[in-house]
Amino acid sequence: DAGVTQSPTHLIKTRGQQVTLRCSPKSGHDTVSWYQQALGQGPQFIFQYYEEEERQRGNFPDRFSGHQFPNYSSELNVNALLLGDSALYLCASSYQGNTPYEQYFGPGTRLTVT
Amino acid sequence: AQTVTQSQPEMSVQEAETVTLSCTYDTSESDYYLFWYKQPPSRQMILVIRQEAYKQQNATENRFSVNFQKAAKSFSLKISDSQLGDAAMYFCASGSDMGRRALTFGSGTRLQVQP
Repeated sequence: DAGVTQSPTHLIKTRGQQVTLRCSPKSGHDTVSWYQQALGQGPQFIFQYYEEEERQRGNFPDRFSGHQFPNYSSELNVNALLLGDSALYLCASSYQGNTPYEQYFGPGTRLTVT
Repeated sequence: AQTVTQSQPEMSVQEAETVTLSCTYDTSESDYYLFWYKQPPSRQMILVIRQEAYKQQNATENRFSVNFQKAAKSFSLKISDSQLGDAAMYFCASGSDMGRRALTFGSGTRLQVQP
């Protein structure tokens, strides 16, 4: 089992550009959540996808959007990049039917905006 | 809304000793879970221990245990017999709907283990 995988590992973009980050959930998982972790801080929830729909959203602007595909993989898109978007973006996958519930995290994508 | 506060930015412990990391939280939810996650320098977040809020008994996982004080909204992590591999950032988190929804994280505590 490969666990949660994310691509790319690192990314450097220029202010104003757009970026797409990808996440493949752990085998058997149906839910994907995205988090932003600024340097030296705890992760902040961006949104969660289940059954190809955004089920819950955190306090992030509309520049942040996402998608979940039929195979449960997910993309995070950020438009009009700002310097403040530089962070580690974490994807977490889970299975709604699990008891007790657990979110498994991927290694993250380090985004640098210059 | 949920908030999680970790007031210890850094902690240090000698190898084989015991250390306690503090966490306080606030939530209006009734069916919430609390978690401690470990993030080693390689970045991948790993679940250390989970506590269901409806359970009075404190969770334990080998050398890791929690002190869950529901009325005080306190959730501390005790690491016994500390090992060099325990060195990492530790995040306290809360999750509503038994953890199925968004996790709210604290700012983290960096734990150093001295040989």
